[in-house]
Amino acid sequence: EPEVTQTPSHQVTQMGQEVILRCVPISNHLYFYWYRQILGQKVEFLVSFYNNEISEKSEIFDDQFSVERPDGSNFTLKIRSTKLEDSAMYFCASSVPSGGPKSTDTQYFGPGTRLTVL
Amino acid sequence: SQELEQSPQSLIVQEGKNLTINCTSSKTLYGLYWYKQKYGEGLIFLMMLQKGGEEKSHEKITAKLDEKKQQSSLHITASQPSHAGIYLCGAGPTGNQFYFGTGTSLTVIP
Repeated sequence: EPEVTQTPSHQVTQMGQEVILRCVPISNHLYFYWYRQILGQKVEFLVSFYNNEISEKSEIFDDQFSVERPDGSNFTLKIRSTKLEDSAMYFCASSVPSGGPKSTDTQYFGPGTRLTVL
Repeated sequence: SQELEQSPQSLIVQEGKNLTINCTSSKTLYGLYWYKQKYGEGLIFLMMLQKGGEEKSHEKITAKLDEKKQQSSLHITASQPSHAGIYLCGAGPTGNQFYFGTGTSLTVIP
């Protein structure tokens, strides 16, 4: 069964460094998402991406963050100048749009990348 | 923004017992999703409810959405240790921005 994959599973970085988290969504999916979960807290929406542009983003997704689909299979989240509070589990998800602005498409999640900022 | 409250926060049950987890939304839901998360792992899709009054079952798990589409419940019959994990309800006012509930941690004691 097709699944969303993420690499690396664990990333350790120094404060101030840039990190790129990678995701390979399910191949026929068209919508892509990033979420984060700080330890012990809720899973929080960061951004959705469709047709090579950001569809929606939350208040968390500020100028420190960027997303890209560099080729036909990868979807990346770049965090510039990481801070201690960026330490979290980052989940990628993808979905097939059923159409319409209020579509209710099931999102399939990857296993996550645990980011630790020291 | 969408707020989803889950109750209880945590649940410890004996194997074989039934249990119910609730999810309440501050706004009308266009779609309500249930996911399961094992510690340190990704989210596994369980089921999605869209219509008021809808009920779906998969193996021993049944989910319902109320007529007003603001409350959902997840019921597990004859719980097993394999049911242990964190159950999350999720929803969006639109398909592109998605919110998760606070989560319910389930422990099943053999």
